[in-house]
Amino acid sequence: DQQVKQNSPSLSVQEGRISILNCDYTNSMFDYFLWYKKYPAEGPTFLISISSIKDKNEDGRFTVFLNKSAKHLSLHIVPSQPGDSAVYFCAASVKGTYKYIFGTGTRLKVLA
Amino acid sequence: AAGVIQSPRHLIKEKRETATLKCYPIPRHDTVYWYQQGPGQDPQFLISFYEKMQSDKGSIPDRFSAQQFSDYHSELNMSSLELGDSALYFCASSFHRTSGSTDTQYFGPGTRLTVL
Repeated sequence: DQQVKQNSPSLSVQEGRISILNCDYTNSMFDYFLWYKKYPAEGPTFLISISSIKDKNEDGRFTVFLNKSAKHLSLHIVPSQPGDSAVYFCAASVKGTYKYIFGTGTRLKVLA
Repeated sequence: AAGVIQSPRHLIKEKRETATLKCYPIPRHDTVYWYQQGPGQDPQFLISFYEKMQSDKGSIPDRFSAQQFSDYHSELNMSSLELGDSALYFCASSFHRTSGSTDTQYFGPGTRLTVL
């Protein structure tokens, strides 16, 4: 039972264009969402997070949008750079718990 | 900035052997988490500790145990290893905020365990 889903296993984008990574969840108790980037042989690196009381959070080139009614969040990267090529995981958490539930990841490739 | 340190980075064991993985959190972080990531899979939460007490438990086999020590480092002990235990094991740490909001976890580089 995958509570957090990333339905696109891979995505290719031209350098300078926008990358949009999507994530859907099923558990309405989730109230905190995060995006992590992972390079091979490294641990996940925290990118950006959003609380369920917000619908948008922006940090430099990264913006996360949350649509609670659709149980959907997305990560926008503008402009995309070759160094952004990595696997991106979304994660979700229920307030008061200590664990994250991860999605299956989307491999982003930014083409120069 | 200091990050989460995990040791060893790679470990090869035989079936039925035991293994101990170590995690050193970011300084001043008081909470540690363990995750297991199998090939092609998402990280699965195993267990977490806050102030040396178990704070949450996930899909951790009974053959595994963990603890957090007074210096906040943590060890994951794995016994009677099976082939299916071969995976990447990540440790993460955070500073627990008493406001009730969720803490952001920062991950270490992982330990790759191979069971032969």
